[in-house]
Amino acid sequence: EAGVVQSPRYKIIEKKQPVAFWCNPISGHNTLYWYLQNLGQGPELLIRYENEEAVDDSQLPKDRFSAERLKGVDSTLKIQPAELGDSAVYLCASSLDGPSGRSEQFFGPGTRLTVL
Amino acid sequence: RKEVEQDPGPFNVPEGATVAFNCTYSNSASQSFFWYRQDCRKEPKLLMSVYSSGNEDGRFTAQLNRASQYISLLIRDSKLSDSATYLCVVTGGGYQKVTFGTGTKLQVIP
Repeated sequence: EAGVVQSPRYKIIEKKQPVAFWCNPISGHNTLYWYLQNLGQGPELLIRYENEEAVDDSQLPKDRFSAERLKGVDSTLKIQPAELGDSAVYLCASSLDGPSGRSEQFFGPGTRLTVL
Repeated sequence: RKEVEQDPGPFNVPEGATVAFNCTYSNSASQSFFWYRQDCRKEPKLLMSVYSSGNEDGRFTAQLNRASQYISLLIRDSKLSDSATYLCVVTGGGYQKVTFGTGTKLQVIP
Protein backbone atom coordinates (compact mmCIF):
# COMPACT_ATOMS: atom_id res chain seq x y z
CA GLU A 1 0.00 0.00 0.00
CA ALA A 2 1.30 3.44 -0.91
CA GLY A 3 2.24 5.72 1.94
CA VAL A 4 1.65 9.45 2.25
CA VAL A 5 2.86 11.17 -0.89
CA GLN A 6 4.16 14.72 -0.91
CA SER A 7 5.43 16.92 -3.67
CA PRO A 8 7.68 18.58 -4.41
CA ARG A 9 10.42 17.10 -2.25
CA TYR A 10 12.52 20.23 -2.48
CA LYS A 11 11.68 23.81 -3.34
CA ILE A 12 13.89 26.88 -3.52
CA ILE A 13 12.24 30.26 -3.99
CA GLU A 14 13.02 33.90 -3.44
CA LYS A 15 11.31 35.78 -0.65
CA LYS A 16 7.94 37.32 -1.47
CA GLN A 17 7.23 34.57 -4.00
CA PRO A 18 4.28 32.20 -3.55
CA VAL A 19 4.75 28.47 -3.03
CA ALA A 20 2.43 25.50 -2.77
CA PHE A 21 2.85 22.00 -1.38
CA TRP A 22 0.71 19.01 -2.20
CA CYS A 23 -0.15 15.97 -0.11
CA ASN A 24 -1.95 12.75 -0.94
CA PRO A 25 -2.77 10.81 2.24
CA ILE A 26 -3.06 7.07 2.66
CA SER A 27 -6.25 5.82 1.02
CA GLY A 28 -9.16 5.83 3.45
CA HIS A 29 -7.49 8.00 6.09
CA ASN A 30 -9.96 10.63 7.22
CA THR A 31 -7.57 12.84 9.19
CA LEU A 32 -4.83 14.88 7.55
CA TYR A 33 -2.19 17.03 9.24
CA TRP A 34 0.24 19.65 8.02
CA TYR A 35 3.31 20.30 10.16
CA LEU A 36 6.28 22.61 9.96
CA GLN A 37 9.61 21.31 11.27
CA ASN A 38 12.69 23.42 11.83
CA LEU A 39 16.13 21.89 12.28
CA GLY A 40 16.57 20.49 15.76
CA GLN A 41 12.90 20.98 16.64
CA GLY A 42 9.86 18.77 16.73
CA PRO A 43 7.08 19.11 14.19
CA GLU A 44 4.69 21.98 14.88
CA LEU A 45 1.08 21.47 13.84
CA LEU A 46 -0.19 23.99 11.32
CA ILE A 47 -3.60 22.54 10.54
CA ARG A 48 -5.57 19.34 11.05
CA TYR A 49 -8.44 18.20 8.85
CA GLU A 50 -11.08 15.66 9.60
CA ASN A 51 -12.43 14.83 6.17
CA GLU A 52 -12.97 18.23 4.57
CA GLU A 53 -13.26 20.18 7.81
CA ALA A 54 -10.34 22.06 9.32
CA VAL A 55 -10.83 21.17 12.99
CA ASP A 56 -7.67 22.82 14.32
CA ASP A 57 -6.03 25.69 12.46
CA SER A 58 -5.12 27.66 15.55
CA GLN A 59 -1.39 27.56 14.71
CA LEU A 60 -1.74 28.46 11.04
CA PRO A 61 -0.44 32.01 10.28
CA LYS A 62 -3.49 32.99 8.32
CA ASP A 63 -2.06 36.22 6.98
CA ARG A 64 0.19 34.30 4.61
CA PHE A 65 -0.65 30.61 4.91
CA SER A 66 -3.70 28.88 3.53
CA ALA A 67 -4.73 25.28 3.11
CA GLU A 68 -7.49 23.31 1.53
CA ARG A 69 -8.62 19.72 1.40
CA LEU A 70 -11.15 19.43 -1.35
CA LYS A 71 -13.29 16.28 -1.34
CA GLY A 72 -11.60 15.18 1.86
CA VAL A 73 -8.66 13.51 0.12
CA ASP A 74 -5.71 15.49 -1.28
CA SER A 75 -4.59 18.66 0.39
CA THR A 76 -2.64 21.74 -0.64
CA LEU A 77 -0.75 24.12 1.65
CA LYS A 78 0.12 27.53 0.26
CA ILE A 79 2.36 30.35 1.42
CA GLN A 80 1.98 33.78 -0.12
CA PRO A 81 4.21 35.67 0.14
CA ALA A 82 7.04 33.55 1.48
CA GLU A 83 9.45 35.01 4.03
CA LEU A 84 13.00 34.00 4.92
CA GLY A 85 11.77 32.51 8.19
CA ASP A 86 9.51 30.09 6.35
CA SER A 87 12.50 27.96 5.38
CA ALA A 88 11.78 24.58 6.96
CA VAL A 89 10.54 21.08 6.22
CA TYR A 90 6.79 20.86 5.69
CA LEU A 91 5.42 17.48 6.68
CA CYS A 92 2.07 15.98 5.86
CA ALA A 93 0.63 13.12 7.88
CA SER A 94 -2.57 11.13 7.84
CA SER A 95 -4.40 8.84 10.21
CA LEU A 96 -7.57 6.79 10.42
CA ASP A 97 -9.10 8.39 13.44
CA GLY A 98 -11.99 8.03 15.75
CA PRO A 99 -12.96 10.75 18.18
CA SER A 100 -10.24 9.84 20.66
CA GLY A 101 -7.33 10.80 18.41
CA ARG A 102 -5.39 7.75 19.50
CA SER A 103 -4.52 6.54 16.05
CA GLU A 104 -1.04 6.33 14.57
CA GLN A 105 -0.02 9.14 12.26
CA PHE A 106 1.77 8.18 9.07
CA PHE A 107 4.08 10.84 7.72
CA GLY A 108 5.13 11.69 4.22
CA PRO A 109 8.78 12.40 3.37
CA GLY A 110 8.23 16.15 3.62
CA THR A 111 8.98 19.13 1.41
CA ARG A 112 12.17 20.99 2.21
CA LEU A 113 11.60 24.68 1.52
CA THR A 114 14.44 27.16 1.19
CA VAL A 115 13.55 30.84 0.91
CA LEU A 116 16.38 33.03 -0.36
CA ARG B 1 6.38 26.95 29.94
CA LYS B 2 6.21 24.84 26.79
CA GLU B 3 3.24 22.52 26.48
CA VAL B 4 5.48 19.52 25.94
CA GLU B 5 9.11 19.51 27.06
CA GLN B 6 11.96 17.15 26.41
CA ASP B 7 15.68 17.24 27.13
CA PRO B 8 17.18 17.70 23.66
CA GLY B 9 20.32 15.74 24.60
CA PRO B 10 22.33 14.36 22.95
CA PHE B 11 22.47 11.26 25.07
CA ASN B 12 25.65 9.39 24.14
CA VAL B 13 25.53 5.84 25.46
CA PRO B 14 27.58 2.70 24.78
CA GLU B 15 26.07 -0.33 23.11
CA GLY B 16 24.24 -2.51 25.59
CA ALA B 17 23.47 0.32 27.97
CA THR B 18 20.05 1.18 29.32
CA VAL B 19 18.83 4.72 28.70
CA ALA B 20 15.70 6.55 29.73
CA PHE B 21 14.03 9.72 28.47
CA ASN B 22 11.30 11.75 30.08
CA CYS B 23 8.79 14.09 28.55
CA THR B 24 6.68 16.49 30.62
CA TYR B 25 3.38 18.01 29.54
CA SER B 26 1.49 20.96 30.94
CA ASN B 27 -2.12 20.26 29.98
CA SER B 28 -3.73 18.04 32.60
CA ALA B 29 -6.59 17.34 30.14
CA SER B 30 -4.21 15.50 27.79
CA GLN B 31 -5.57 12.12 26.85
CA SER B 32 -3.28 10.32 24.42
CA PHE B 33 0.47 9.89 24.49
CA PHE B 34 2.94 8.50 22.00
CA TRP B 35 6.63 8.09 21.31
CA TYR B 36 7.80 8.60 17.73
CA ARG B 37 11.24 7.95 16.34
CA GLN B 38 12.84 10.18 13.71
CA ASP B 39 16.03 9.29 11.89
CA CYS B 40 18.21 12.05 10.47
CA ARG B 41 16.52 13.76 7.51
CA LYS B 42 13.66 11.26 7.59
CA GLU B 43 10.02 11.51 8.63
CA PRO B 44 8.84 10.57 12.13
CA LYS B 45 7.48 7.06 12.64
CA LEU B 46 5.44 5.70 15.53
CA LEU B 47 7.53 3.78 18.05
CA MET B 48 4.81 3.05 20.57
CA SER B 49 1.68 4.36 22.20
CA VAL B 50 1.74 5.04 25.93
CA TYR B 51 -1.09 3.63 28.00
CA SER B 52 -2.02 4.36 31.58
CA SER B 53 -0.94 0.88 32.59
CA GLY B 54 2.37 1.24 30.80
CA ASN B 55 3.42 -0.91 27.89
CA GLU B 56 6.41 -2.86 26.72
CA ASP B 57 7.59 -3.84 23.26
CA GLY B 58 10.76 -5.87 23.29
CA ARG B 59 13.56 -3.68 24.60
CA PHE B 60 11.32 -0.62 24.83
CA THR B 61 9.11 0.29 27.78
CA ALA B 62 6.86 3.33 27.96
CA GLN B 63 5.13 4.62 31.05
CA LEU B 64 2.70 7.40 31.92
CA ASN B 65 2.60 9.28 35.21
CA ARG B 66 -0.54 11.41 35.18
CA ALA B 67 -0.02 12.78 38.69
CA SER B 68 3.33 14.29 37.75
CA GLN B 69 2.35 14.83 34.11
CA TYR B 70 5.17 13.06 32.36
CA ILE B 71 5.77 10.08 30.13
CA SER B 72 8.94 8.06 29.93
CA LEU B 73 10.70 5.80 27.47
CA LEU B 74 13.19 3.18 28.58
CA ILE B 75 15.48 1.45 26.11
CA ARG B 76 17.33 -1.62 27.32
CA ASP B 77 20.37 -3.22 25.68
CA SER B 78 20.88 -0.28 23.32
CA LYS B 79 21.81 -1.05 19.73
CA LEU B 80 23.65 1.11 17.23
CA SER B 81 20.44 1.17 15.22
CA ASP B 82 18.62 2.87 18.10
CA SER B 83 20.51 6.09 17.30
CA ALA B 84 17.81 8.58 16.38
CA THR B 85 15.73 11.41 17.78
CA TYR B 86 12.84 10.35 20.00
CA LEU B 87 9.80 12.61 19.92
CA CYS B 88 7.02 12.53 22.46
CA VAL B 89 3.52 13.45 21.33
CA VAL B 90 0.64 14.53 23.49
CA THR B 91 -2.95 14.82 22.32
CA GLY B 92 -5.93 16.22 24.14
CA GLY B 93 -7.85 19.22 25.28
CA GLY B 94 -9.82 21.30 22.84
CA TYR B 95 -9.91 19.99 19.25
CA GLN B 96 -7.83 17.00 20.41
CA LYS B 97 -4.81 19.23 19.92
CA VAL B 98 -1.64 17.42 18.84
CA THR B 99 1.64 18.65 20.30
CA PHE B 100 5.11 17.27 19.62
CA GLY B 101 8.04 17.74 21.92
CA THR B 102 11.33 19.03 20.53
CA GLY B 103 12.81 15.54 20.60
CA THR B 104 15.66 13.87 22.45
CA LYS B 105 18.65 12.83 20.41
CA LEU B 106 20.20 9.46 21.20
CA GLN B 107 23.59 8.37 19.91
CA VAL B 108 24.61 4.79 20.66
CA ILE B 109 28.36 4.39 20.51
CA PRO B 110 30.20 1.15 19.62
